[in-house]
Amino acid sequence: EDKVVQSPLSLVVHEGDTVTLNCSYEVTNFRSLLWYKQEKKAPTFLFMLTSSGIEKKSGRLSSILDKKELSSILNITATQTGDSAIYLCAVHNTNAGKSTFGDGTTLTVKP
Amino acid sequence: KAGVTQTPRYLIKTRGQQVTLSCSPISGHRSVSWYQQTPGQGLQFLFEYFSETQRNKGNFPGRFSGRQFSNSRSEMNVSTLELGDSALYLCASSDGLAPRVRNEQFFGPGTRLTVL
Repeated sequence: EDKVVQSPLSLVVHEGDTVTLNCSYEVTNFRSLLWYKQEKKAPTFLFMLTSSGIEKKSGRLSSILDKKELSSILNITATQTGDSAIYLCAVHNTNAGKSTFGDGTTLTVKP
Repeated sequence: KAGVTQTPRYLIKTRGQQVTLSCSPISGHRSVSWYQQTPGQGLQFLFEYFSETQRNKGNFPGRFSGRQFSNSRSEMNVSTLELGDSALYLCASSDGLAPRVRNEQFFGPGTRLTVL
């Protein structure tokens, strides 16, 4: 059975700090790894990673995939209170045609 | 493009009843996936429909079923509701096309179902 584990489960930081969120996976027929941000409502897409070692970047957020280590990290620099959310990692299994989600990391950024 | 829409947004039912939830994907998207989200279990995959056919299925009992129409709109039905079915039900759409499957899923706002 496919499995995605995120760590830490929760994190409290102050504005301006840099955070690193982790995602490790065990999945057959890996196709891609996706990061989502979920605030009060539905998850919103952040990144999709398919190739190892290539960093994806969007403003203060960046992510990289390590296929050898079966993991990915999501970095957020100069955090702001608006970054407070649950960050979800999902891995897509080609054959099963579905995404398996981790339990998420709850990030709280204090002023 | 309009985003993914789900109706209703909130629903209260009692045990034993049945419920139907609706999802309209982004225009042009043919794949609709359904997820159940609860505090204890996180996001759990229910099933995926593509071109009116169920393409993939998660580990949920047969009380959970769905269908997809020719316009790609999808419905999910839960029969004989149980207290444990209280959850946020999310649908996500994607283009779902192979081999260039992007896997990027766009989520709707969800339907919050409460079973009393």
